[in-house]
Amino acid sequence: ETGVTQTPRHLVMGMTNKKSLKCEQHLGHNAMYWYKQSAKKPLELMFVYSLEERVENNSVPSRFSPECPNSSHLFLHLHTLQPEDSALYLCASSLTGGPTSTDTQYFGPGTRLTVL
Amino acid sequence: GQQVMQIPQYQHVQEGEDFTTYCNSSTTLSNIQWYKQRPGGHPVFLIQLVKSGEVKKQKRLTFQFGEAKKNSSLHITATQTTDVGTYFCAGSRYSTLTFGKGTMLLVSP
Repeated sequence: ETGVTQTPRHLVMGMTNKKSLKCEQHLGHNAMYWYKQSAKKPLELMFVYSLEERVENNSVPSRFSPECPNSSHLFLHLHTLQPEDSALYLCASSLTGGPTSTDTQYFGPGTRLTVL
Repeated sequence: GQQVMQIPQYQHVQEGEDFTTYCNSSTTLSNIQWYKQRPGGHPVFLIQLVKSGEVKKQKRLTFQFGEAKKNSSLHITATQTTDVGTYFCAGSRYSTLTFGKGTMLLVSP
């Protein structure tokens, strides 16, 4: 499946590093999402963008900074992360989005992040 | 806030046995979706249920949405090793999808 791509697939970073995760969708969707998946926890929604505007931010620490320059691209900028931020970060897209959207979500392969 | 709970967290079956995972919401849902995540993979959409009491089938998989639209189940008949993975339900009511913790299914040949 190549509808939603994510780079890099694996990332190891120190707590003082700055890095960015990239997501691109080729489905013509208008909404994009960042999720965090940790072991033994449900998928945690971090950010939702609809038509490039952020519509939901579930109280994510400021060391995570999203950017959505257009409806096809989504970034997650990382700065001074903690070891407990190590997880699989999944990007998803849907046809429409926002607080009342229940459209099917198409997930990317994820970025496996390890913070040392 | 809205909570979606899934049970069991984990199940190990012999190939050919049936499997069921249950999803329960603290609030009435507008719809429920099911996703499957293979080991090392990402969640992939399986199906969406919208109507009260709805039942849908995909080959050996049967999905049900409760009459009160607060619970759902996924039943797999005669499991195969290819069914291995984690099955997530995700429900929504006036907000973006809330995922359950998932049920991890292991199938031994």
